[in-house]
Amino acid sequence: DIQMTQSPSTLSASVGDRVTITCRASQSISTWLAWYQQKPGKAPNVLIYKASTLESGVPSRFSGSGSGTEFTLTISSLQPDDSATYHCQQYNSYPLTFGGGTKVEIK
Amino acid sequence: EVQLVESGGGLVQPGGSLRLSCAASGFTFSDYYMDWVRQAPGKGLEWVGRVRKETNSYSTVYAASVKGRFTISRDDSENSIYLQINSLKSEDTGIYYCARVNGNYDYWGQGTLVTVSS
Repeated sequence: DIQMTQSPSTLSASVGDRVTITCRASQSISTWLAWYQQKPGKAPNVLIYKASTLESGVPSRFSGSGSGTEFTLTISSLQPDDSATYHCQQYNSYPLTFGGGTKVEIK
Repeated sequence: EVQLVESGGGLVQPGGSLRLSCAASGFTFSDYYMDWVRQAPGKGLEWVGRVRKETNSYSTVYAASVKGRFTISRDDSENSIYLQINSLKSEDTGIYYCARVNGNYDYWGQGTLVTVSS
């Protein structure tokens, strides 16, 4: 199975800060990686797919990069509405696996 | 508008069974693979399994943790997928989501809560 390791597990930042979340795969997944945002009591919503493609309707302050085993999700200017948990997911091979999640809090 | 609506969750005793449903609307259901994903309380997301479409013989694939106890099926005439869960364990407690597969998941349902407790 491909293990997905996300870091940090929590982060606290101020409005306007640049925030970066990292996801590492235990073996190469090419660019078959998605990022999801999940708010409390809600289902996840896709932000980024194929490592760097922004889902339609997602604000441009979100961006993704990486390939192989190292991936990042960047929020260029953190907004209050970005307070949420972020999950990475590999869909290169079965079983599909998720990272442990990163909880982003606003200072 | 794409909608996925899960139902069938509830409180069940260990060893019991449950059948979850996911009703889809707003898209050509038969064109898509569909997955179940679950989330234990306060934990991350866990892929449960997939049902492919008719052209792939409605084949299924499961996570090792549920194989043999969980069965995913679909009824394209009802635009629905199902998750039959048998021999329930306490570790099966959580929210169960259905999701449309488009490589990644582009749409999710709101989830249905399964609680396994005596």
